[in-house]
Amino acid sequence: GNSVTQMEGPVTLSEEAFLTINCTYTATGYPSLFWYVQYPGEGLQLLLKATKADDKGSNKGFEATYRKETTSFHLEKGSVQVSDSAVYFCALGGSNYKLTFGKGTLLTVNP
Amino acid sequence: DTAVSQTPKYLVTQMGNDKSIKCEQNLGHDTMYWYKQDSKKFLKIMFSYNNKELIINETVPNRFSPKSPDKAHLNLHINSLELGDSAVYFCASQREGASPLHFGNGTRLTVT
Repeated sequence: GNSVTQMEGPVTLSEEAFLTINCTYTATGYPSLFWYVQYPGEGLQLLLKATKADDKGSNKGFEATYRKETTSFHLEKGSVQVSDSAVYFCALGGSNYKLTFGKGTLLTVNP
Repeated sequence: DTAVSQTPKYLVTQMGNDKSIKCEQNLGHDTMYWYKQDSKKFLKIMFSYNNKELIINETVPNRFSPKSPDKAHLNLHINSLELGDSAVYFCASQREGASPLHFGNGTRLTVT
């Protein structure tokens, strides 16, 4: 079956630091890959997505590249802000209507 | 307009009670979900409906019963609530199989 493994948190950074949250997956076929973000007290929101190999998703300064050869979709941001503090979820979408989520990584950015 | 709205936002109740959570989406999506998020933020899918038809039913106690009166609504009824049911429950909708999910803001259920 499909599965997603993302780095365990929590991750604590200072403002303007570089962020990487690792995500690897196992899947049959050609899934779509997503990063969702959950701010405190809110539901999950789509941050970015990639639908095929070598696609790069980007939004709000965050980027992730769909790497089929390493089955990875790592999230990166060059300079984090306090407002980026949230839980980040990597997810894999198949054609069977069931989105598979990673366990989430809590990011705290200190001023 | 809120795309996916669920009510109530908070629900505090005693063990053994029966409660319902309601969800509505105005996105015109055919598929809706219920997810449970535990205290460690782990998300577990519970149910999914496509155009009012149940298509995913994970291993969930039969005290939980979803109901979809139309494709814009998916409600969750829970009988005989237990302490372990305390969690945040999220409703979500989706346009098609591999497209992104749109989540509501969650219902925090506390069973005492």
